[in-house]
Amino acid sequence: AQSVSQHNHHVILSEAASLELGCNYSYGGTVNLFWYVQYPGQHLQLLLKYFSGDPLVKGIKGFEAEFIKSKFSFNLRKPSVQWSDTAEYFCAVNENSGNTPLVFGKGTRLSVIA
Amino acid sequence: GAGVSQTPSNKVTEKGKYVELRCDPISGHTALYWYRQSLGQGPEFLIYFQGTGAADDSGLPNDRFFAVRPEGSVSTLKIQRTERGDSAVYLCASSPGGSSYNEQFFGPGTRLTVL
Repeated sequence: AQSVSQHNHHVILSEAASLELGCNYSYGGTVNLFWYVQYPGQHLQLLLKYFSGDPLVKGIKGFEAEFIKSKFSFNLRKPSVQWSDTAEYFCAVNENSGNTPLVFGKGTRLSVIA
Repeated sequence: GAGVSQTPSNKVTEKGKYVELRCDPISGHTALYWYRQSLGQGPEFLIYFQGTGAADDSGLPNDRFFAVRPEGSVSTLKIQRTERGDSAVYLCASSPGGSSYNEQFFGPGTRLTVL
C-alpha cells in the first residue's frame, strides 16, 4: 500500500525566509505527485502537480517542487515566504493508472511571522 | 465556473442517528471521491465513483457507511448509527475522468460532529 510521510508537523518562519517542506512516499510503481494547500477557513487547493517529464515543477504563488525518483521524494520549496503563505500544506500521491484515489500525508502547518 | 459544493457545511447529530451528506461535483466531471479528515490528519480515502458505479469502496471503515451516485452527478454519503468516532470533516472531490493525469478538485467539506 502507498504511504506518504511529511517530516515536519509545524514550521515557523519569518517573512522572506526560504521554505522547504519534505515529502517522501512509498510505492513501487509509477505515481502522480501533488501538493495541496489549505488556507485558514478555506478548502484544499492545488499548488502544483507532477505527472511526468521535467522533475522540477512550478506551481502557483512562487512555489516549486522537485521529484527525485531515487529518493522517493517530492519536496516543496519557496525562496521567500510571505505572511499570506500561512496555511496547512499536504503532499499527496496516486497511482498513474486511471483515476485512483489520493493518499495524503498528515500535513505540515506553516506559520509565517512578520 | 462553479466548483465542488457540499451540504450541509456543518452537521451536529446525536450518537446512534442517521446522517446524509451531499456532494455536487463540477459539471461534467465523471469521477467523484469521498475523503474523511480527522483533526491533525490528512484526508483519508473512503470511496470513489466513476460515473454511477463505485469503482473502489475499500476505504469505507465499516458497513455503517454507504454512498450512492444514482445519476452520475450528485453523490450522497450515508452514515447509519453514528458514533462519536465518526466526527470529522468529510470532503468530496471530483475530476474529469478519462485520463491518468487528472487533478482532483475539492469541495469545502462537511464538518460532522457526533455528540
